Amino acid sequence: DIQMTQSPSSLSASVGDRVTITCRASQSISSYLNWYQQKPGKAPNLLIYLASNLQSGVPSRFSGSGFGTDFTLTISSLHPEDIATYYCQQSYSAPRTFGQGTKVEIK
Amino acid sequence: QLQLQESGLGLVKPSETLSLTCTVSGGSISSSSHYWGWIRQPPGKGLEWIGSIYYSGSTYYNASLKSRVTISADTSKNQFSLKLSSVAAADTAVYYCARQGSSYFDFDYWGQGTLVTVSS
Repeated sequence: DIQMTQSPSSLSASVGDRVTITCRASQSISSYLNWYQQKPGKAPNLLIYLASNLQSGVPSRFSGSGFGTDFTLTISSLHPEDIATYYCQQSYSAPRTFGQGTKVEIK
Repeated sequence: QLQLQESGLGLVKPSETLSLTCTVSGGSISSSSHYWGWIRQPPGKGLEWIGSIYYSGSTYYNASLKSRVTISADTSKNQFSLKLSSVAAADTAVYYCARQGSSYFDFDYWGQGTLVTVSS
């Protein structure tokens, strides 16, 4: 199985800050990397697919980059409503494994 | 607008079989463009993909659960189902159904999730 490792596990930032979350795969997954946002008590919501493609309806302050084993999710300017846990997921091969999550809080 | 809704018993006894159904509205599970999957999340923990089914009926499962999992579909009702046998406390989780793209295998629509507790 491909292991997905996110860092950091949690972070605290101020409104307006630039926030970066990293996801590393245990082997190359090309661009088959997706990012999800999960708010407490809610289902995950797809933000980015295929490493850098913004899902319809997702604010443009979210962006993704990377290829191979190293990927990044960036929030260009943190909004209060971005408080959530973020997960990466590889879709290169089954089982479609997720990272352990990064919890984003407001400082 | 596509919607998915999980249903089933919220309490299952150890060693019994967990059964859940996902009802899809606003779209057809017979679409060749999508798979239909199940993902679970133990309380306070991360996400685990369980398995998915294609419109053709082909299934693929997480190897760690494969011996206990069956996913099936009823196209006449636009539903797909999950059965997980021989459950234990470790199977306590929120279970989500979701639509999965057949090109990039991302999960773009999710149900709200249903908590299943395994306890005697």
